[in-house]
Amino acid sequence: GDSVTQMEGPVTLSEEAFLTINCTYTATGYPSLFWYVQYPGEGLQLLLKATKADDKGSNKGFEATYRKETTSFHLEKGSVQVSDSAVYFCARRDNTDKLIFGTGTRLQVFP
Amino acid sequence: DTAVSQTPKYLVTQMGNDKSIKCEQNLGHDTMYWYKQDSKKFLKIMFSYNNKELIINETVPNRFSPKSPDKAHLNLHINSLELGDSAVYFCASSQGTDPNTEAFFGQGTRLTVV
Repeated sequence: GDSVTQMEGPVTLSEEAFLTINCTYTATGYPSLFWYVQYPGEGLQLLLKATKADDKGSNKGFEATYRKETTSFHLEKGSVQVSDSAVYFCARRDNTDKLIFGTGTRLQVFP
Repeated sequence: DTAVSQTPKYLVTQMGNDKSIKCEQNLGHDTMYWYKQDSKKFLKIMFSYNNKELIINETVPNRFSPKSPDKAHLNLHINSLELGDSAVYFCASSQGTDPNTEAFFGQGTRLTVV
């Protein structure tokens, strides 16, 4: 079935390091792709999204590009901060209305 | 104002009890969802309602019964609670079933069954 695969965490970085969290998807069509973030003790918040191939979503210094040829939507940030420590979820949504999540990747940023 | 609000935030109860979690959204959305997040943070959809009608019902025990009295509310009732029901339950809403629109999530209800 359709799924989303994320790299396992935790990802541990020092402040100002470069971040990449890999995400790949399987789908029979062309789903919309999302990154959600969950800060400790909170619900999920939308971080960014892309709805068609080659779209780039960006927010708060994070970016992800919808790559149809590699079925990927990797999350990147050039310089992470301690406040970016959270769990990041890649997700896809198609016309079945389901928002299917990856397993989440915990990011820990140390000063 | 909170867009998607759930109550209670924490719920501790004994096995065999029946409990409900309430969810309300003030975004004017017509689609609402329940998700379950297990101890490993894995998120799985349970139910989806559009205009008060059930449109997604994943493989969930029939002890779980969602109820949508109107478009702004989707409550989750759980009968005969089991230890394995312990999880964080998230309510969410979105506008329509357009796959390009994102879902907005509540803060979650941490259910602990003892």
